[in-house]
Amino acid sequence: GDSVTQMEGPVTLSEEAFLTINCTYTATGYPSLFWYVQYPGEGLQLLLKATKADDKGSNKGFEATYRKETTSFHLEKGSVQVSDSAVYFCALSDRGNAGKSTFGDGTTLTVKP
Amino acid sequence: DVKVTQSSRYLVKRTGEKVFLECVQDMDHENMFWYRQDPGLGLRLIYFSYDVKMKEKGDIPEGYSVSREKKERFSLILESASTNQTSMYLCASSLSARVSQPQHFGDGTRLSIL
Repeated sequence: GDSVTQMEGPVTLSEEAFLTINCTYTATGYPSLFWYVQYPGEGLQLLLKATKADDKGSNKGFEATYRKETTSFHLEKGSVQVSDSAVYFCALSDRGNAGKSTFGDGTTLTVKP
Repeated sequence: DVKVTQSSRYLVKRTGEKVFLECVQDMDHENMFWYRQDPGLGLRLIYFSYDVKMKEKGDIPEGYSVSREKKERFSLILESASTNQTSMYLCASSLSARVSQPQHFGDGTRLSIL
């Protein structure tokens, strides 16, 4: 079945540092890939997405590129802020899976001033 | 804008009670989902529904049931609440089972069973 493996946390960075959170996946079909963010006390919200190989999703300074050859979708940001402190989830949705998504375990990011 | 509303942010119940968690979406989405989120265990799918009156078991359906009488509303039912069902419950919806679309989440219900 489908699976998503993401970098274990927690991750602690200083403000303005470079962020990478690794995500790799296995899927039987041609999935769409997503990054979600969960701020304290809230539900998940979509951060960015990519629907086919070599697509780059971007939002709020975050980027991720759909790499089919390495089955990866790593999240990056050039300069993190304290307000980026949250839990980040990598996920995939495979068209043959009745609209369900498979989520990684989440990576907690803390950014210190 | 997309809106998924969960009826309660915090709920405290006693063991053995029948508990109802309600979720409403205003986007005419076909799919709706219930997850529970526990520290170290990520998101686990309890049940999902791809149409009115349709339901499918997820990964951890034991002790739960669901109801979808109207397209916009998806209810999670704890038939006889137990302390191991203390958790954060998240409802989500997505457009359709036919396309790969992101899910839209509510803010969650933090349920405590005493």
